[in-house]
Amino acid sequence: GEDVEQSLFLSVREGDSSVINCTYTDSSSTYLYWYKQEPGAGLQLLTYIFSNMDMKQDQRLTVLLNKKDKHLSLRIADTQTGDSAIYFCAESISSGSARQLTFGSGTQLTVLP
Amino acid sequence: DADVTQTPRNRITKTGKRIMLECSQTKGHDRMYWYRQDPGLGLRLIYYSFDVKDINKGEISDGYSVSRQAQAKFSLSLESAIPNQTALYFCATQTSGRSGELFFGEGSRLTVL
Repeated sequence: GEDVEQSLFLSVREGDSSVINCTYTDSSSTYLYWYKQEPGAGLQLLTYIFSNMDMKQDQRLTVLLNKKDKHLSLRIADTQTGDSAIYFCAESISSGSARQLTFGSGTQLTVLP
Repeated sequence: DADVTQTPRNRITKTGKRIMLECSQTKGHDRMYWYRQDPGLGLRLIYYSFDVKDINKGEISDGYSVSRQAQAKFSLSLESAIPNQTALYFCATQTSGRSGELFFGEGSRLTVL
């Protein structure tokens, strides 16, 4: 079955880089996602990567995918206090014409001044 | 105005009561989902619907039911609430595009005493 695992907590100093890691089990995953949840809000898509890619960069965000090890990471450069949130990794499996997403437990990122 | 709106945002109820959580969307998406979030467990899928005539159980559907009244409306019911249904509930819609991005409401916090 599908399983997505993440560590629960990460603390970094403002200005440092943050790296949030995720492992998944289903080798047929086609898209992998990073969602961000700010306090009192729903999840919002940060970025996603197609499974035939190794890396994707979007401003301060870098996503690395190691398909052999089923490992996904999100690096946030120059982390700011506004980056404090819960970050969810998710994998998707095609289900007919739709994609079913399975989420990890979320990593609470705390940015210290 | 939010694209995905959930009501109520907060609800406290007693064991055995019937509760309905409502979700409406202006995204025009056919696919809608109900998730439950518990600390340390991430998001777990309760029910999903690919169109008004299509309802599917997720991984934790026991104790819940849903109704898809229209393309824009998807409600979740707890017929007889119990304390372990205390959680944060999210409705989401999904694009039919390749990415399968989910768009979340702001959540409904339910407490069952």
